[in-house]
Amino acid sequence: GEDVEQSLFLSVREGDSSVINCTYTDSSSTYLYWYKQEPGAGLQLLTYIFSNMDMKQDQRLTVLLNKKDKHLSLRIADTQTGDSAIYFCAESKGGGYNKLIFGAGTRLAVHP
Amino acid sequence: GAVVSQHPSWVICKSGTSVKIECRSLDFQATTMFWYRQFPKQSLMLMATSNEGSKATYEQGVEKDKFLINHASLTLSTLTVTSAHPEDSSFYICSTRQVIQSDTQYFGPGTRLTVL
Repeated sequence: GEDVEQSLFLSVREGDSSVINCTYTDSSSTYLYWYKQEPGAGLQLLTYIFSNMDMKQDQRLTVLLNKKDKHLSLRIADTQTGDSAIYFCAESKGGGYNKLIFGAGTRLAVHP
Repeated sequence: GAVVSQHPSWVICKSGTSVKIECRSLDFQATTMFWYRQFPKQSLMLMATSNEGSKATYEQGVEKDKFLINHASLTLSTLTVTSAHPEDSSFYICSTRQVIQSDTQYFGPGTRLTVL
């Protein structure tokens, strides 16, 4: 099966919170990442979490990590229309050069 | 975060021709760069790891003679798609690896290749 799994689509109302979920398989991953991709653009690093952390907060973004269940989530507070994009979860495979394995991406649609 | 540029941002070429895509690390020296391809509405697939001064490491299933990678300096890696065919049409994205506070990849804006 896929190394990293994400739900494909999420629709939220402007102002609500969005929660994007991800499961991964490599328990040795040192870092886990969230990237954002807008149409026709490259990937923008949103945030990352070190594997020995449970939570990381950065302004409107909160990352939760459950290592036991290999579950990662990204919460976006007060979601805005500009948050509409595809969000990729990625794990770093073992090894010295940080090979990233990406999920399929979750398309977030924000509506009024 | 690091700043990465790619050139060109889009290219259209005829089948059978070769296309070179450049990836530049603008604000730090990158010993390691990565090349990915992304098909429409799909995730990124790693093609190869580009190491400055040595041969690239290709992922399984990626033809190294078709996708030539050169990482001749600490700020530039190039991907040449040789004898391009319509099935090579894709979005090609590069990234640089930065290891300071964390081990993180920063991505370029991507190059859209269309082969007619």
